[in-house]
Amino acid sequence: GEDVEQSLFLSVREGDSSVINCTYTDSSSTYLYWYKQEPGAGLQLLTYIFSNMDMKQDQRLTVLLNKKDKHLSLRIADTQTGDSAIYFCAERMWANDYKLSFGAGTTVTVRA
Amino acid sequence: KAGVTQTPRYLIKTRGQQVTLSCSPISGHRSVSWYQQTPGQGLQFLFEYFSETQRNKGNFPGRFSGRQFSNSRSEMNVSTLELGDSALYLCASSLDGTRTEAFFGQGTRLTVV
Repeated sequence: GEDVEQSLFLSVREGDSSVINCTYTDSSSTYLYWYKQEPGAGLQLLTYIFSNMDMKQDQRLTVLLNKKDKHLSLRIADTQTGDSAIYFCAERMWANDYKLSFGAGTTVTVRA
Repeated sequence: KAGVTQTPRYLIKTRGQQVTLSCSPISGHRSVSWYQQTPGQGLQFLFEYFSETQRNKGNFPGRFSGRQFSNSRSEMNVSTLELGDSALYLCASSLDGTRTEAFFGQGTRLTVV
């Protein structure tokens, strides 16, 4: 995951918005993904964005992509206790790249 | 629609032994990828299979190998286990392994003692 960087921890109050940030180094990245991992579980795909898009919204989730700065963010509106988890940003560098490169993950803690 | 199924969920092995992990992808998906997750190294790509062919391989020693069957089910094998092989092994399933979403299984937790 050395090509994808994320901050390690985020603490947010229940009901507030969470913003998780990610930077990637390869400008040729085609697809960028957000995954969620709860304790003892696998990875759950939350959403993904294609590199020709700036924004994608899906219910409480909003993904913003700034290609110029190679910056990706995930905003979770009205954060709930069930949103406490590790969130991973991942990139697929080109269309025929058969692997995902992951960041180290951001641990989100939701406090009452 | 059934998700990605990995078996077994938990495994304890002794150093020097070998182990085989199994992954059944989502029906209709032909690409299966394997990842190793450890606290120190995070998520690392092992290899990817499509139509029984390995198309990409990560930087792991030859002790790590895999294969895919005609029904798209995949197995990975680790021989001569080392303590450092203790990890969560995750399998990802996708239609073709490129532009589409990748869905992960629950993983197999391997502990080497």
